[in-house]
Amino acid sequence: AAGVIQSPRHLIKEKRETATLKCYPIPRHDTVYWYQQGPGQDPQFLISFYEKMQSDKGSIPDRFSAQQFSDYHSELNMSSLELGDSALYFCASRRVRTEAFFGQGTRLTVV
Amino acid sequence: ILNVEQSPQSLHVQEGDSTNFTCSFPSSNFYALHWYRWETAKSPEALFVMTLNGDEKKKGRISATLNTKEGYSYLYIKGSQPEDSATYLCAFSPNTGNQFYFGTGTSLTVIP
Repeated sequence: AAGVIQSPRHLIKEKRETATLKCYPIPRHDTVYWYQQGPGQDPQFLISFYEKMQSDKGSIPDRFSAQQFSDYHSELNMSSLELGDSALYFCASRRVRTEAFFGQGTRLTVV
Repeated sequence: ILNVEQSPQSLHVQEGDSTNFTCSFPSSNFYALHWYRWETAKSPEALFVMTLNGDEKKKGRISATLNTKEGYSYLYIKGSQPEDSATYLCAFSPNTGNQFYFGTGTSLTVIP
C-alpha cells in the first residue's frame, strides 16, 4: 500500500540558506500535517492543510511558510535557516474520518 | 480550534512499574479518538482508534479506555519497559468537518 512520502530524507544546509521539504500524501488523502522534532525534544505541531487551504497553525516560525498544491502534495519552505532549525520534520496525511499516517521524516541539519 | 489536552506532559517511571496518562477532548461532536506512539527519530506508530463510548482496546501491555460522555481517554502501560519510552499522542476527530486535533503529547521515560 502507498504510504506518505517525504523528500528529501536528509538535507544539510548552511545558516541563512533556504530549504524546501516536500510531502506526498497517500492517494485520496486531502489533509496534511507538519511536525518538527528537535534533538531530544517532543514533537511540535507546525501547520496543517485541508483541501489546499491552511486549516490550523501551531508553532511555525515566521521564517517558514507552507502550502498544499492542487495534487495535494505539500511543501514546507524554510528561509534564513538557523542552527536551531536542525530537526526531524514529519508530515502526516489523512482523509475525512480516517486516522493519520506519517511519513518517514526529513532530517534537516543546519551547519 | 479545539482543545485536546494530555497529562501529564512528561513522566518518568521505573522499569516494571505500571503507568497511565490521560487525553481530554471535547465531549460534543465526537467521532473518534486515536492514540499514537512516537519514538524519537521514528515515524509515529498508530496504536488504537476508538469510536464507541466504553471502548477498551488492548495491544500487548498497552491498553486504552474511552469515555465520550465526559471527554477523556486513558492509556495504560502495564510493567513498563525501557522500549516503551516515547511520546504518546492522542488525536480527536469530531463528527463535523475534517479536522484532526492532536494533543500535546505525554513524554514517557522508563528508567532501567
